[in-house]
Amino acid sequence: GQSLEQPSEVTAVEGAIVQINCTYQTSGFYGLSWYQQHDGGAPTFLSYNALDGLEETGRFSSFLSRSDSYGYLLLQELQMKDSASYFCAVDSSASKIIFGSGTRLSIRP
Amino acid sequence: DAGVIQSPRHEVTEMGQEVTLRCKPISGHDYLFWYRQTMMRGLELLIYFNNNVPIDDSGMPEDRFSAKMPNASFSTLKIQPSEPRDSAVYFCASSLGTGGAAELFFGEGSRLTVL
Repeated sequence: GQSLEQPSEVTAVEGAIVQINCTYQTSGFYGLSWYQQHDGGAPTFLSYNALDGLEETGRFSSFLSRSDSYGYLLLQELQMKDSASYFCAVDSSASKIIFGSGTRLSIRP
Repeated sequence: DAGVIQSPRHEVTEMGQEVTLRCKPISGHDYLFWYRQTMMRGLELLIYFNNNVPIDDSGMPEDRFSAKMPNASFSTLKIQPSEPRDSAVYFCASSLGTGGAAELFFGEGSRLTVL
């Protein structure tokens, strides 16, 4: 079977840093992606990791450890507009993209 | 480019009726995906195509669901007959190339309500 685990909800304060974890168990693995989805909207791509290590894109960074089947999304300098759901997704075989259940991030002023 | 275009945006129908959802991918993209999103089950991959050919339909819940891609610019997802448990948001996404590095571009979704 294939599964991706991530926390269902996370709450943080504006201006702070938050980390959203994702562990996966899949029959194959090519890479880990992260997507953001605002309420009522469509998921939008944030980042992709195929190799171990940290990828940084502005205020967002994503990390992957293939040996631990683990990754995380790090959001810095949180803004109210970052309130959304965040999904990790695994490319398990030749573009078969499987999504986790999502983490709802709530940001307090 | 206008992005991935889905229609209808909203559909309300009665149990037993046929439902057809439509998708126009981004021009030049060779992968097309259909996902279903519900609170209980999250984003489920139903089926995906490469160059108009279905690659994996293992996520299609049952025979009531069918999907086609007659050409590179059009795909349909059909539910016949529909049931209340099919109520969900159905997303179409397209991408260029293989693997997760090929960013998925999602349409705005079709919200289906089956009464």
